[in-house]
Amino acid sequence: QVQLQESGPGLVKPSETLSLTCSVSGGSIIGSWWSWIRQPPGQGLEWIGYIYHSGSSNYNLSLKSRVTMSVDTSKNQFSLKLSSVTAADTAVYYCARSNYKQFFDFWGQGILVTVSA
Amino acid sequence: DIQMTQSPSSLSASVGDRVTISCRASQRISTSLNWYQQKPGKAPNLLIYAASNLQTGVPSRFSGSGSGADFTLTISSLQPEDFATYFCQQSFSIPDTFGPGTRLDIK
Repeated sequence: QVQLQESGPGLVKPSETLSLTCSVSGGSIIGSWWSWIRQPPGQGLEWIGYIYHSGSSNYNLSLKSRVTMSVDTSKNQFSLKLSSVTAADTAVYYCARSNYKQFFDFWGQGILVTVSA
Repeated sequence: DIQMTQSPSSLSASVGDRVTISCRASQRISTSLNWYQQKPGKAPNLLIYAASNLQTGVPSRFSGSGSGADFTLTISSLQPEDFATYFCQQSFSIPDTFGPGTRLDIK
């Protein structure tokens, strides 16, 4: 059973860069697509992007200029960087496995990131 | 981007009721439609993929139907653990987009 766990700072200052890591256990990061999805408090879900173990990626154009995703196959981890954050980026951030970019079948528990001075 | 809408936005029902939640896409998406259940403070959990396929481990009282732009999630006989928020999601084209959710409460 694949398990995912997000880690990173829970508080980021405005204009700084949000950095999160997702650690994958119970399976290899190789051969699957991986995603970040966020959910502002009390709101709906927003897909941020996909990344493959090779580094190939797709980002949501609404965030594209600020998003960078990467993979570290040696650590079985993938990461998210979101630059120039504002209060609107405050959300629970989930990492998830995407089954051939068709559906999200395994999710991390989520990490709340608050953007505040 | 493909916009997803859901109806109703909230719903009150009793244990044992049959419940139907609708999801509509702003354009045709074939059967590239998934359903998730989310409980407070938890990550979403995949229930149905590709419109009508039950995810492994999900009780058979959950079912999905539809194609094109209109889809339905049905719970045949509500159980206490089913009270949650339900989201649809399209994977037909990037960016993947989610519906706003349907909150299912106990009557």
